[in-house]
Amino acid sequence: NAGVTQTPKFQVLKTGQSMTLQCAQDMNHNSMYWYRQDPGMGLRLIYYSASEGTTDKGEVPNGYNVSRLNKREFSLRLESAAPSQTSVYFCASSRNSGRATGELFFGEGSRLTVL
Amino acid sequence: RKEVEQDPGPFNVPEGATVAFNCTYSNSASQSFFWYRQDCRKEPKLLMSVYSSGNEDGRFTAQLNRASQYISLLIRDSKLSDSATYLCVASAGTALIFGKGTTLSVSS
Repeated sequence: NAGVTQTPKFQVLKTGQSMTLQCAQDMNHNSMYWYRQDPGMGLRLIYYSASEGTTDKGEVPNGYNVSRLNKREFSLRLESAAPSQTSVYFCASSRNSGRATGELFFGEGSRLTVL
Repeated sequence: RKEVEQDPGPFNVPEGATVAFNCTYSNSASQSFFWYRQDCRKEPKLLMSVYSSGNEDGRFTAQLNRASQYISLLIRDSKLSDSATYLCVASAGTALIFGKGTTLSVSS
């Protein structure tokens, strides 16, 4: 049972380059999320998708775009990477959201460095 | 203002000790609460949900005080394997907001 799979696990970019982080879940969950985690800052929500076809901004959406491609997949795109986007990115999914939110299942993380 | 606040620690305790972590949340409309555990360089994993009546899972006890907007986690008889960062989580609208985490180090 794969759960939540993120790719790539590691990436080094130069300032101004673009890239897409891919995420897929095989648990038939409705909701998916992208978080970033920085030392001393904890996990911060970038974007989330409460259900297929919807996306909403979280705490720190600037510099990112997302696509909920289908129920399984939720991608995060950096159009023009900046050093401030150096971080560990976690994708997560849950059966539902809001009041019915239960357990979040996380991927193993993607470590991104922007030079 | 950060919606979920935790004491970052670190908490350094010997094996067998009892340790308590506290957390406050600012959104009075929050409905769901959790404690997650994160090992070094790993993804967060659910430790336990927090219910209004309080709940226990083995050596772990979680309490919720809605009036004070306060959540706690008590770990009894600490084990070396309990060393990790513990994340307090509260719902905010349709998403979950994580605290920065409290680091626990259990030594022999």
